[in-house]
Amino acid sequence: KNEVEQSPQNLTAQEGEFITINCSYSVGISALHWLQQHPGGGIVSLFMLSSGKKKHGRLIATINIQEKHSSLHITASHPRDSAVYICAGSNTGNQFYFGTGTSLTVIP
Amino acid sequence: NAGVTQTPKFRVLKTGQSMTLLCAQDMNHEYMYWYRQDPGMGLRLIHYSVGEGTTAKGEVPDGYNVSRLKKQNFLLGLESAAPSQTSVYFCASRRRQIEAFFGQGTRLTVV
Repeated sequence: KNEVEQSPQNLTAQEGEFITINCSYSVGISALHWLQQHPGGGIVSLFMLSSGKKKHGRLIATINIQEKHSSLHITASHPRDSAVYICAGSNTGNQFYFGTGTSLTVIP
Repeated sequence: NAGVTQTPKFRVLKTGQSMTLLCAQDMNHEYMYWYRQDPGMGLRLIHYSVGEGTTAKGEVPDGYNVSRLKKQNFLLGLESAAPSQTSVYFCASRRRQIEAFFGQGTRLTVV
């Protein structure tokens, strides 16, 4: 069993829909990261959070420390949001535990 | 990702050939990492470094070597490439307890 599990693995949405990607972790972490990878592209950090909620534009990330669960929400989804979203935990030793990613396709 | 640069971006090797992947960062980060990304699997740590002159093995270090002679550079070497090393390689760097910055990736095919 992976230390970090994401769901769903694949997601297809219509443009404008509200999207939620879930992440659960089983190891002790000091921070939770959400990363974005466009097809054939590099990896970009979207959020790093250790508690509560963060918002950047149409993206919102939340974390529940007690339940060891985080969610990434995309409001008013757009085709340019199509990418792989990766959840990762980091510990105080600066090691990362990566999920296998959620592949999102937003259809116009 | 302007702060982390990987070279080359693409490479095709024949089995048994050697090569070095270069990762350079200009953010004065202490920590640097090399990962490989394979279909259906999360990023897997090959080697990492917590500072200039130091390196350590990660989850999948076999067949790879690394060096960090300068703080800004982290080199990943393949001494004798094998088809199992066909993958996309990512370098990352960070300062303690901040977000990580990733390079654009190196797509390596070993034939």
